[in-house]
Amino acid sequence: QKEVEQDPGPLSVPEGAIVSLNCTYSNSAFQYFMWYRQYSRKGPELLMYTYSSGNKEDGRFTAQVDKSSKYISLFIRDSQPSDSATYLCAIPGGSEKLVFGKGTKLTVNP
Amino acid sequence: DVKVTQSSRYLVKRTGEKVFLECVQDMDHENMFWYRQDPGLGLRLIYFSYDVKMKEKGDIPEGYSVSREKKERFSLILESASTNQTSMYLCASSQTGVDKLFFGSGTQLSVL
Repeated sequence: QKEVEQDPGPLSVPEGAIVSLNCTYSNSAFQYFMWYRQYSRKGPELLMYTYSSGNKEDGRFTAQVDKSSKYISLFIRDSQPSDSATYLCAIPGGSEKLVFGKGTKLTVNP
Repeated sequence: DVKVTQSSRYLVKRTGEKVFLECVQDMDHENMFWYRQDPGLGLRLIYFSYDVKMKEKGDIPEGYSVSREKKERFSLILESASTNQTSMYLCASSQTGVDKLFFGSGTQLSVL
């Protein structure tokens, strides 16, 4: 089983929709969790990061972690065309390594 | 703002050529990383460095080497380019561990 699994999509939604992006992970020792956003022809940029189980909000974005299920989610409320990007979950895997999911490509249609 | 600059946006090379990909960061970060990104495979770590002249292998180091002579510069070297090294190459830096990586815009390398 891979350390981090992420549905690659693609996901296409209308403007204003609530988007749910998800990853599962296999190692219960993972302690904190990140979401990166990558626009086309750009490098990824850190969007959110959370240490604990539960929810963390930042504007229209909410990161959720369920350690008992080894499941992390990113919700986007009132999605905008400018949210169209690839979203990657990332988990520090020890020894200065960041384990990335493969990314979910999101398109928000006006 | 932290800036990670990769020297070329697009590069076309021939099989067997020696290829240098350069990366410079301007925030005095300790750690630097080279990843490649391929459709369906995601981001894979090639090499990283946590100090000048130090380097550590990542998950897919075969066919690559790196050089870090100065803190701000981290070079990826393809000793003899092959077609299976056609990919998007991304450089990143961080101040501490992998808490927050800052990525460059990438170099799309095509090996013909």
